[in-house]
Amino acid sequence: GESVGLHLPTLSVQEGDNSIINCAYSNSASDYFIWYKQESGKGPQFIIDIRSNMDKRQGQRVTVLLNKTVKHLSLQIAATQPGDSAVYFCAEFLRLPSGYALNFGKGTSLLVTP
Amino acid sequence: DVKVTQSSRYLVKRTGEKVFLECVQDMDHENMFWYRQDPGLGLRLIYFSYDVKMKEKGDIPEGYSVSREKKERFSLILESASTNQTSMYLCASSLTVRANNEQFFGPGTRLTVL
Repeated sequence: GESVGLHLPTLSVQEGDNSIINCAYSNSASDYFIWYKQESGKGPQFIIDIRSNMDKRQGQRVTVLLNKTVKHLSLQIAATQPGDSAVYFCAEFLRLPSGYALNFGKGTSLLVTP
Repeated sequence: DVKVTQSSRYLVKRTGEKVFLECVQDMDHENMFWYRQDPGLGLRLIYFSYDVKMKEKGDIPEGYSVSREKKERFSLILESASTNQTSMYLCASSLTVRANNEQFFGPGTRLTVL
């Protein structure tokens, strides 16, 4: 039978459309967030970051929105391309006694169709 | 460019074996991290090191230990491998302990314990 919790949420978009990937974070005290992209067979790669004193930040074809009231992040990808197909993770910085480590979301799989 | 390398891409071990996963970074980063990545669970922090010979437990340290004898090298040790440690293991490094430091990831080691 099917195992619960083993399947990533999947977003399927057509090439050229805009994509929006959502993420809820857990710690209201988190003050820094990162979006990572992970292609098949590779480690996660940094896309864009945002501090908690901002509600929007733009990069090349990507925009991150932060809503601290509801502890929600979104990643918007404009004019999605086949090379954007990957798993996307949001991460909040988790404070440890001697520094910081990342607390990752479970990821969303983006599939770009021609 | 920061380079984080891991000693093996794929590894198959038997239950009860002692397993060493090696990670090396070439950018003089202070912090190094070990995560495991499982479908539906995302990345979970195992251990973290903020300096040579210093280590801290992450979310799931049970069954693992680490070693940081040199700044550039961070080893993850499975003292007695078990089948539930079959996973993708990702190493990362970052420059300092500050929250706004991006983490750079290696390509991962896919470990199978039979």
